Order: sequence, then C-alpha cells, then structure tokens
Amino acid sequence: AQSVTQPDIHITVSEGASLELRCNYSYGATPYLFWYVQSPGQGLQLLLKYFSGDTLVQGIKGFEAEFKRSQSSFNLRKPSVHWSDAAEYFCAVGSLSGGYNKLIFGAGTRLAVHP
Amino acid sequence: GAGVSQSPSNKVTEKGKDVELRCDPISGHTALYWYRQSLGQGLEFLIYFQGNSAPDKSGLPSDRFSAERTGGSVSTLTIQRTQQEDSAVYLCASSPQAGGYNEQFFGPGTRLTVL
Repeated sequence: AQSVTQPDIHITVSEGASLELRCNYSYGATPYLFWYVQSPGQGLQLLLKYFSGDTLVQGIKGFEAEFKRSQSSFNLRKPSVHWSDAAEYFCAVGSLSGGYNKLIFGAGTRLAVHP
Repeated sequence: GAGVSQSPSNKVTEKGKDVELRCDPISGHTALYWYRQSLGQGLEFLIYFQGNSAPDKSGLPSDRFSAERTGGSVSTLTIQRTQQEDSAVYLCASSPQAGGYNEQFFGPGTRLTVL
C-alpha cells in the first residue's frame, strides 16, 4: 500500500536560517508528489508538485523540492526562512487509481520560526 | 475568483445527532474530494466525485457516513448518529479534472465537535 512518512513532527528554526523538511514515500510506480502548507485556521495550499522530468522543482514562496528515486524521498527546502513560514507542512503522494488522483498524506511537520 | 467554500465553518453537536456539511467547489471543477483531518488519524481520504457520481467511497469510515453531489457542483457530507470519534476537521477539495496532474484546491474546512 502507498504511504508517506514525514519523520519530523516538529521543527524549529531561526528566521533567516535554511530549512529542509523530510518526506519519504512508498509507491510502486513513478509517483505524483506534492507538498502542501496549512496555516492556522486555513485550508491546504499547494506549494509545489512533481510528476516527471527535472527532479528539482520550484514552488511558490521560495520553496523547492528534490525528487530522489533511489532514496524514495521528496524533501522540501528553503534557503532562508521567514517568520510567515510558520505553519504545518504536508507531503502527499497521488494514488492514481481508476484515472483519478486520491492524495495520501504524511502526518505533517509543524514548523516554528524564532525571530 | 472564488475558491472552495465550506459551511458551516464550525459545528458542535450532541452524540447521536445527524449533521450535514456542505462544500461549494470552484465553478467548473468536475472532480470533488472529501478528506478528514483528525489528531489520531491525520489527513484521510473519504470519497471522490466525478460529476455527480462517486466512483470511490472507500474512505468512508462506516455506513453512518454518506455524501452526494448535485448538478455537478455542491456536495453534502452527511454523518448520521454522530459519535465522539467523528470529531475532526472535514476538508473538501476540487480540481478541474480528475487526472493525477491536476492540483486539488482545498476549502477552509468544517470543524466538527461531537459532545
């Protein structure tokens, strides 16, 4: 069965520091991979997605992620974190079944940013 | 343009009562998804609609849960005889089509509390 693991439940970084959020997936075929962000009281917003091609994908708000098939990973990175990045981040894999895309989410990583 | 909207934003009910949660997708989006976000289970898929049909109901936790979609637009998730374990945030998402490459746009969710 497909699954997504986000090993870090909480991460705290200082404003201006770099950030890497880890995501590992289990999926038999080439996966559709997504990172979503959820700010308090808000719905999920897509940061970026990977389907094929270049393994380094750029997203909104200065985020990027790298797909590494050999490691079954899709880690999210940002070179310099802003206080407004404090939120919960979810990695997801699209379970393509019957021609549609059901998202399977990781447990999430809650990011705190110190001034 | 308008995003996905959900109502009510908060719902408090007593155990054993029925509740209805509403989702208005983005206009023109043919695919609609319901997910549940709870402390114990994280983000879980519930059901998917293509038009007014629900090809995949595999995530509905029990027969107390049902959903319908009318006119290829509004969807209602109904929970009968609510239990305390039904307390969660119910998220609705829509996408232009059902294919895996299509982004799912999420609404703000309905927070359900069962006393």
